[in-house]
Parts: sequence; C-alpha cells; structure tokens
Amino acid sequence: GQQLNQSPQSMFIQEGEDVSMNCTSSSIFNTWLWYKQDPGEGPVLLIALYKAGELTSNGRLTAQFGITRKDSFLNISASIPSDVGIYFCAGQLGGTGFQKLVFGTGTRLLVSP
Amino acid sequence: SQTIHQWPATLVQPVGSPLSLECTVEGTSNPNLYWYRQAAGRGLQLLFYSVGIGQISSEVPQNLSASRPQDRQFILSSKKLLLSDSGFYLCAWNRGLTGELFFGEGSRLTVL
Repeated sequence: GQQLNQSPQSMFIQEGEDVSMNCTSSSIFNTWLWYKQDPGEGPVLLIALYKAGELTSNGRLTAQFGITRKDSFLNISASIPSDVGIYFCAGQLGGTGFQKLVFGTGTRLLVSP
Repeated sequence: SQTIHQWPATLVQPVGSPLSLECTVEGTSNPNLYWYRQAAGRGLQLLFYSVGIGQISSEVPQNLSASRPQDRQFILSSKKLLLSDSGFYLCAWNRGLTGELFFGEGSRLTVL
C-alpha cells in the first residue's frame, strides 16, 4: 500500500540536542498526524494538524503542516532519554468520503544520556 | 472517555494452529475499526478496516480474516497460522471522517 517518505530513518543524538524529522508525499493531504511508539506498545498520538501552514506545539514538540499540503515536519527541542522510540507521521488524503490514513516508514530515535 | 483494549497481549502458537485476536472499543459508537501488523523494527501495514457491523475491507491478500460481530468489537482470525504471520498486531479506531486514529496496546504473536 501507499506510504509516506519519512526521514531520517534513524537518529542517534545526545541528550539536550534538538531533533528534526519530516515526511513528504506526492499526494495532497487534508490532515497530518504525528505518533510516537514506545517499544512493545501501540503508537500514541502526539500532534494533529488540519490546516496548510499550521504550526502546533505540544510541550517540547512542534509540528508544521506544509504549505503545499504534501509535507510535514516534527521538531523535538532539548531531547531527553524518554524521547527514545519510533516516530511515525501519518496523513489523510483529501477527497470526499472515508479516507484511510497513510503512514510513514518511521524514524527511530535514540538518545544518549 | 474512549478506550480501546485488545487481547491477548502475547501469544505463542505453533504453525498450523488457529488464531483469534480480539479488540473492543468503549465510550463511543459506530467507530471505524482497523487491524494493523508491524514486523520487527518496521512500519505499520494496514490489514483490514471496518466502517460498520459486518462490513470488512481487506487491504492485502493474506492468511488472515477479520470480523465485526458487534459495533465495538473487531476480531482478527486465522484457521491455520504460518511462520510469516508472526508480528505485532495493533487494533485502532477513529470516528467518522476524521483522521485521528487511536491504537490499542498491541498483541505480539510468535508462530513457531
């Protein structure tokens, strides 16, 4: 099935560093979502974006819905060890009626204390 | 508030045995329900989704089937498991046409 291009695939950073990851698509999306998955658990929704250009923060996390509606990024500031996990972007295609979410391939984040 | 629960959390089954994973959503009505599979260290693959009782859509040809006997219950089944069915299975729900998807805790299946 269709997937979003998410990068980087993995990141290994020092505690306190800022992190940036992004997702791109050839299709236009109406909604962008960012999830975090801890090992052995289901993904948890971090941020939801509904409008092109929208910039939304959730604590140390900031995400933006790209103007072209074909991309989104997630920034994490001042990373801490509990930020470790896999981050997924997801988008809902535009159009009428029921639309499934399309998921990115994930960014694995490792944080060194 | 809405909750989603799936069980069992962990399952080890021999090749050729049957499978039944259950998922229940509470605190909402007429949800869209989904089954995803996640191979180790990989992304999420949509297996089935359902927009109503008895309505099942399959995304990929496979050895598994899904059923929705009640509004808030979604079941993933197999008559004979294959080694390749091993993985982490996630149930999820959302409402109407909104995108926000909420996941269960996951069920880890190991087929030996």
